Order: sequence, then structure tokens, then C-alpha cells
Amino acid sequence: GAGVSQSPSNKVTEKGKDVELRCDPISGHTALYWYRQRLGQGLEFLIYFQGNSAPDKSGLPSDRFSAERTGESVSTLTIQRTQQEDSAVYLCASSPPPGLNEQFFGPGTRLTVL
Amino acid sequence: TQLLEQSPQFLSIQEGENLTVYCNSSSVFSSLQWYRQEPGEGPVLLVTVVTGGEVKKLKRLTFQFGDARKDSSLHITAAQPGDTGLYLCAGAGSNTGKLIFGQGTTLQVKP
Repeated sequence: GAGVSQSPSNKVTEKGKDVELRCDPISGHTALYWYRQRLGQGLEFLIYFQGNSAPDKSGLPSDRFSAERTGESVSTLTIQRTQQEDSAVYLCASSPPPGLNEQFFGPGTRLTVL
Repeated sequence: TQLLEQSPQFLSIQEGENLTVYCNSSSVFSSLQWYRQEPGEGPVLLVTVVTGGEVKKLKRLTFQFGDARKDSSLHITAAQPGDTGLYLCAGAGSNTGKLIFGQGTTLQVKP
């Protein structure tokens, strides 16, 4: 079966440009998460969607970061006016209906801001 | 704020050696998960432990959840080069779907 997919796999952009990252979760998974991972480090929580509830945005590092999710499907993470410190791998994960919150991760989008 | 501290952060060992990775917190978690991540890929779930004192085995990997559900350990017996990767623990609270991740342990097993 299809896993979590993310696009693009790699994105190189210039400082100050906006970027949009996409995540397609596993069908039927109600929860969706975005994380940021800097080189050689752990996961930094960004935002969490659960069904139709208001998203938990507590991890977004600044107002340049925003995310949307259409129902229980695709999500997009938008970074406006990118900065060099935004360079990282952005990981998306989805999780099936309420249970143990076991997360299934996509391969990530590697963002490089020049 | 719930935090998970993993130790050690880095571990480089020879093939055949044993190792233990620790995940500690002052908070209680309803469950705790271990993931492994290889370069260029997303983390992959290895195991979930739910009950205090629970022990689960996955081939040469043994996972334990502390009695108080505040800590966990991952023990690898006779490590192999294929075990190389980043190991992450993640705790789930009882009232939120959000996971709290540790900072990870990078394991390198040399042949």
C-alpha cells in the first residue's frame, strides 16, 4: 500500500523567496504532523492536525511558517521569505484514528536556502 | 513542558558488541515509541511500549518501559553494521496526539 509521500524531494531556493512543501498522508489517517530536522539532529515539532479540530501550531518557529490541510488529506507547509536558517529536512507523518499515535513518516523534503 | 533526554547522543562501536540507549524524562507518558532513521529517509517505527515495566523484543533489539512510565531503554545485542542509524524515542501524552521526541542517538557499527 501507499505510504506517506512528500514533494518535492529536494528544493533549492534563494533567500527571501516563498516555498511550498506538500504532504500526502496515508489514506484513512486522521492525524498529520510536520517536523523539521536539521542535519544530524532530532525532530523539531512544527504543527499537528487531527481531523476537523483546530491545528496545534505551537511548534511553528515564526509567523513566516504556516500550514494547511484539506479535510483529512493533503497538507501544505508554506515558508515565506525564506532565510538560510530554514535549511533543513522537513518531514511529514500521519497517524491512524485515535490509538497509540504511531506515526508513519514520509521521506522528507530537503530544503536548501542559498 | 515535557522533555525526553536521550543518551548517549553518539555511539560508535565494533560489530558484535552490545549497547544500550536510554531515554529519560521527569514526565509520565501513556506510551513510548522507538524509531530508527537511516540517511535520506524518514524515521520508521520499531516498537511501542504501553505498560510500565513492559519488555518487548524484536530480534536482537530489546525495549523496556520503566515501571513509572517515565523512561525507556533500547538494548542491542551483537550489533551489526545494518543497525547503523539514528534512533529516536518518542513519548505520547494521555491528552494529546502530539509525540515528544528525544534528540536522538546516532549509532555507527563498524564491520
